[in-house]
Amino acid sequence: RKEVEQDPGPFNVPEGATVAFNCTYSNSASQSFFWYRQDCRKEPKLLMSVYSSGNEDGRFTAQLNRASQYISLLIRDSKLSDSATYLCVIKEGGKLIFGQGTELSVKP
Amino acid sequence: GAGVSQSPRYKVAKRGQDVALRCDPISGHVSLFWYQQALGQGPEFLTYFQNEAQLDKSGLPSDRFFAERPEGSVSTLKIQRTQQEDSAVYLCASSLYTGELFFGEGSRLTVL
Repeated sequence: RKEVEQDPGPFNVPEGATVAFNCTYSNSASQSFFWYRQDCRKEPKLLMSVYSSGNEDGRFTAQLNRASQYISLLIRDSKLSDSATYLCVIKEGGKLIFGQGTELSVKP
Repeated sequence: GAGVSQSPRYKVAKRGQDVALRCDPISGHVSLFWYQQALGQGPEFLTYFQNEAQLDKSGLPSDRFFAERPEGSVSTLKIQRTQQEDSAVYLCASSLYTGELFFGEGSRLTVL
């Protein structure tokens, strides 16, 4: 079983839709959690950290459920520019472990 | 520029050749990471350094893979006797300690 599991998608949604991505992780000792975004043929970039209390950054909301070892990302009012792969990331020791990524395609 | 710089951007190697991939991290960044990314997959951890010390090399797939960072700045990932399954994008990232990772654009290796 992979340490970080995500639905690979693709998720095809119209502009303005709300879309949610889920991620599960296997190591209960994982310390920190993040969502990274990767555009096609580009390098990953940090989208947001994920905190136990949940956190929001504009149209993006991240949630963490430590008991269920589950992380989510909600994107509201999706834009064409949100089309990318979203990578769920956990920190173990000093290293970051990436999920497979979930591909999002926002259509006009 | 001020970002992470990797070279070469593209490398084609014949099976059995040795290759060396270079990473120049952001100045002052203590931690440096190497990841391997196959098409359609997320980045897979290979190894990481804190200054010149290699703290974790558990992700290196075989003893053909070797990484070094002798002066705590530039790092080189070396792959000996390349195989077709080594074809991937090799991403280097740096961070101030182990906070946000800043990635380079990657070195795309194709083994024929």
